Amino acid sequence: SQTIHQWPATLVQPVGSPLSLECTVEGTSNPNLYWYRQAAGRGLQLLFYSVGIGQISSEVPQNLSASRPQDRQFILSSKKLLLSDSGFYLCAWRKQVNQPQHFGDGTRLSIL
Amino acid sequence: QKEVEQNSGPLSVPEGAIASLNCTYSDRGSQSFFWYRQYSGKSPELIMFIYSNGDKEDGRFTAQLNKASQYVSLLIRDSQPSDSATYLCAVNEVGGTSYGKLTFGQGTILTVHP
Repeated sequence: SQTIHQWPATLVQPVGSPLSLECTVEGTSNPNLYWYRQAAGRGLQLLFYSVGIGQISSEVPQNLSASRPQDRQFILSSKKLLLSDSGFYLCAWRKQVNQPQHFGDGTRLSIL
Repeated sequence: QKEVEQNSGPLSVPEGAIASLNCTYSDRGSQSFFWYRQYSGKSPELIMFIYSNGDKEDGRFTAQLNKASQYVSLLIRDSQPSDSATYLCAVNEVGGTSYGKLTFGQGTILTVHP
């Protein structure tokens, strides 16, 4: 069966520091991968998605970036975090376009 | 901008009652519809998906889809306190650069009280 892993589970970072969040999927090949952010009490905002190695589509202009160096690995990065980057970051995968997305456990990011 | 609207909450029902969660969507060409449950502090968990008009049942959950009315709903029978969570409706976008992306509603908070 397929599983998705995200780490770390929680992260506290100072303003201006860099960020790297990692997501990996096991048990499938060539998944579609997604990064979402959920601010406190808010809905899910799609940040990036990828349909293959090295292919990244950005949804929202911001100081975040994403990369997909391997088929089942998706990384979310920032060079300098802002206070507004706080939130719950979720990675998701699915095999085909019309199938459900499945979420990892998420990373709760607090910026001080 | 495709939109997905859910009935405003919070929704409170007594234990054993039927909880009804509703969702409308703007993209008439959408073909895939999903309901997720999200407990406080946790990630969304898929509970139902539906592709065809009509009803789809899975245990205590029934998803209903009416594409002509652009309406999808989730019924929870015999509601339990453990069903207390935020329920997210998600719709697959079609066409153009949005193809294949999910648009989520803002969520409906459900509380089942003993």
